[in-house]
Amino acid sequence: QVQLVESGGGVVQPGGSLRLSCAASGFTFSSYGMHWVRQAPGKGLEWVAFIRYDGSNKYYVDSVKGRFTISRDNSKNTLYLQMNSLRAEDTAVYYCGKDRASGAAGIDYWGQGTLVIVSS
Amino acid sequence: DIQMTQSPSTLSVSVGDRVTITCRASQSISNWLAWYQQKPGKAPKLLIYKASTLESGVPSRFSGSGSGTEFTLTISSLQPDDFATYYCQQYNSFTWTFGQGTKVEIK
Repeated sequence: QVQLVESGGGVVQPGGSLRLSCAASGFTFSSYGMHWVRQAPGKGLEWVAFIRYDGSNKYYVDSVKGRFTISRDNSKNTLYLQMNSLRAEDTAVYYCGKDRASGAAGIDYWGQGTLVIVSS
Repeated sequence: DIQMTQSPSTLSVSVGDRVTITCRASQSISNWLAWYQQKPGKAPKLLIYKASTLESGVPSRFSGSGSGTEFTLTISSLQPDDFATYYCQQYNSFTWTFGQGTKVEIK
């Protein structure tokens, strides 16, 4: 069965960096685009970034452009989110998600989430 | 950027009620809309994609409709397991945006 397991969350000071990982199993990872979605405490969902199946194209929400980088290693079935210049407003649970098809049909599998807290 | 507006923000209903949630896009998104259910402390679950296609394994009491800028999620007869928060999500030109969510709570 499809499994997505995030790791790498924690507490970081403003201006600091963190790298999240998402280990995928149960499907052909190299055939699907992948997303990062976040949810601030008590708030709604916010899409953060998407990477195509082969890593050829990457897309970001405006608020993280230039600070976050999505990447993948298809040989390791792993998705990453490098987060730099972190701000208090980046505090959230970060979910990785498998794209259902070509970016246009929703996210059909989600990880359990990893909590990032940006605080001094 | 495309904005998604859901209404209502909260819905107080009883088991067996018919529930309708609306999602409006600030510009046309054709049928590139998905609906999710989220329970506290859990990841979202995909219910419907391409506005009206039911995801495998999702009960048939859930249905979606609409195109262009106005979409609805309908639960034909609310069950106890359906109390949750529901989100719409649009896709357009490689940007994805969620609505602010609709919490379905017990009356």
